[in-house]
Amino acid sequence: DIQMTQSPTSLAASVGESVTITCLASEDIYGSLVWYQQKPGKSPQLLIYGATILEDGIPSRFSGSGSDTQYSLKINSLQPEDFASYYCQNGLSTPWTFGGGTKLELK
Amino acid sequence: QVTLKESGPGILQPSQTLSLTCTFSGFSLSTYGMGVGWIRQPSGKGLEWLANIWWDDDKYYNPSLKNRLTISKDTSNNQAFLKITNVDTADTATYYCARIEGTMMVLFDYWGQGVMVTVSS
Repeated sequence: DIQMTQSPTSLAASVGESVTITCLASEDIYGSLVWYQQKPGKSPQLLIYGATILEDGIPSRFSGSGSDTQYSLKINSLQPEDFASYYCQNGLSTPWTFGGGTKLELK
Repeated sequence: QVTLKESGPGILQPSQTLSLTCTFSGFSLSTYGMGVGWIRQPSGKGLEWLANIWWDDDKYYNPSLKNRLTISKDTSNNQAFLKITNVDTADTATYYCARIEGTMMVLFDYWGQGVMVTVSS
């Protein structure tokens, strides 16, 4: 099974700053990496798929990069609504595992 | 407009069978490439994928739950179902269903609001 390891598990930042969250797959997932955002009490929302493709309606301050086993989610110029939890997901093969999550908090 | 909504018993006792229903609109599970997945999240914890079912009735399960899971669908009524047998307190969580579109990569593009399930004696 492919394991997904996210880091950091939590992160404190200020509005206007930029942050990067990383996701490491235990084997090559050939770019089949998916990112979700989850706000407290809400369902997860699809942000990015195929490692780099922004879902419709997602602001351009979000971007994804990476290949093989290493992937990143970058958020530029943090807005108040960006403080949430973020999860990566293996989109390549079953079991379609999620990373443990990164909680982005306001400093 | 794609929507999904989960329903379930709310509370059940250890060793019982949990039955969940996902009622959706805006897509059909008879359309090529469409699927529905179930994901759960214990309070304050991360997401755990449970099972997927596709338009062609192909099914996949999380091996960590061994043989406790059964996923099914009713295409005519736009519903998908998940059963979990022999539940215990570790199955207490919010359960989500989500749409899957496409066959090259599994991603969950629309999610239901989730249903809370508590296992308690």
